[in-house]
Amino acid sequence: EAQVTQNPRYLITVTGKKLTVTCSQNMNHEYMSWYRQDPGLGLRQIYYSMNVEVTDKGDVPEGYKVSRKEKRNFPLILESPSPNQTSLYFCASSPKYGGPYGYTFGSGTRLTVV
Amino acid sequence: RKEVEQDPGPFNVPEGATVAFNCTYSNSASQSFFWYRQDCRKEPKLLMSVYSSGNEDGRFTAQLNRASQYISLLIRDSKLSDSATYLCVVPRMGSGNTGKLIFGQGTTLQVKP
Repeated sequence: EAQVTQNPRYLITVTGKKLTVTCSQNMNHEYMSWYRQDPGLGLRQIYYSMNVEVTDKGDVPEGYKVSRKEKRNFPLILESPSPNQTSLYFCASSPKYGGPYGYTFGSGTRLTVV
Repeated sequence: RKEVEQDPGPFNVPEGATVAFNCTYSNSASQSFFWYRQDCRKEPKLLMSVYSSGNEDGRFTAQLNRASQYISLLIRDSKLSDSATYLCVVPRMGSGNTGKLIFGQGTTLQVKP
C-alpha cells in the first residue's frame, strides 16, 4: 500500500531530551516536507526537501533539523525540545513539487514536551 | 494580508444543500492548487487538485480564477459525512519560494440532518 509512515504516533518527552520523529514513504517521491499544526495557527511548514541531499527551511525551522540521506526517509530531529514545540506534526511527500500532483500526508505525531 | 486566506466559518448547512468555499492567494506565480479535507486533527487528505480552470469529481467542483487569484470549492447535495475542515493549499513558486507549501486556515463545514 502506498503510504507515508510516521513514528511515533504519540510522544511525551522532557525539555532538552533529544528526539527524532521518523518519516518514510514507499512511493519513490522526490519531494518531502514537515509541518506542525497548532490551534489558531493552522499548518506551518518546518523544513522541506526537493530531493535526496537537498533540504531547505520552511517558515518555522527554529529548533528543528532534518536530513535526507535516502529518498524514502526524511527524519525530523529536535536537538533540545522545549514546551513551545508541543504540537501535532505531519510529514508529507509528493512525486514532484509544484506540479498537479497532490501531497500525501502521514498520520501525524502528537508531541508533548514537559 | 495573509498569503492564503479562507473564511473559517463555520458553515452550518442542512443535508442536501449546496455550499461553496472560496480561497484567495497572493503568489501569482503559483500554478497548481489543492483542496484538502481534514477531520478532527487527523491527517489532511487530498480532495481535489486544480491545475487549469477547474476540476469536477462527483458532487465536488473546484474552480480557479487566476485573474482574481482565488479558487473555489463547490459541494452539491451535502452529506452528513462531508462535515470536516476544508483546507486550501497553495505551493509557492518563484525565486526563493519554490518548495514552500502554504495552507489556508481552513473552513469548517457542519452538515446537519
